[in-house]
Amino acid sequence: GESVGLHLPTLSVQEGDNSIINCAYSNSASDYFIWYKQESGKGPQFIIDIRSNMDKRQGQRVTVLLNKTVKHLSLQIAATQPGDSAVYFCAENHKGAQKLVFGQGTRLTINP
Amino acid sequence: DAGVTQSPTHLIKTRGQQVTLRCSPISGHKSVSWYQQVLGQGPQFIFQYYEKEERGRGNFPDRFSARQFPNYSSELNVNALLLGDSALYLCASSPRTGANTEAFFGQGTRLTVV
Repeated sequence: GESVGLHLPTLSVQEGDNSIINCAYSNSASDYFIWYKQESGKGPQFIIDIRSNMDKRQGQRVTVLLNKTVKHLSLQIAATQPGDSAVYFCAENHKGAQKLVFGQGTRLTINP
Repeated sequence: DAGVTQSPTHLIKTRGQQVTLRCSPISGHKSVSWYQQVLGQGPQFIFQYYEKEERGRGNFPDRFSARQFPNYSSELNVNALLLGDSALYLCASSPRTGANTEAFFGQGTRLTVV
């Protein structure tokens, strides 16, 4: 069946450190992945996406890594800032599907 | 540029009532999807519409329905509300349908059923 899960429900990091948020997916047909950031009371905000023909993609302070062999996705945030505090969701989409499948989310908190 | 706009932002309804939620996609986007997000969980897919046609439906009862208008805006309707329908309802806008398509979300409508 389809499922996207996260290894850790919460993650606490020091301000300035790098954050790594992990995600496992089970559908081998998944070929497109998106990371979203959701702040309290707001809708999910698009961060970065990656297609299955790529292993790595970089944005501004963020990098997404895709390991199709073990069906694992990660989001790396460089020099974490207080404004990065939020819940982060990975979502998958597979060929022919019209929907995104979301995981439960990881809450990232930043320690001063 | 205006993002995805949803209305109302908050809503309180009584069990058994009906509710209509509205969404305006990003200008130029022709696809609208609806998701339900229960507190503490990730969003769950309800519907996708593209060019006024339903292109996908999630595992939700027939009490849930939606439509898309010629201007690509959309409405989600829920009949015979249950307490369990209390959630954040999210609308996502995409430039096209199909896989490998970015989806941008609105702020959501917080529905509380009492």
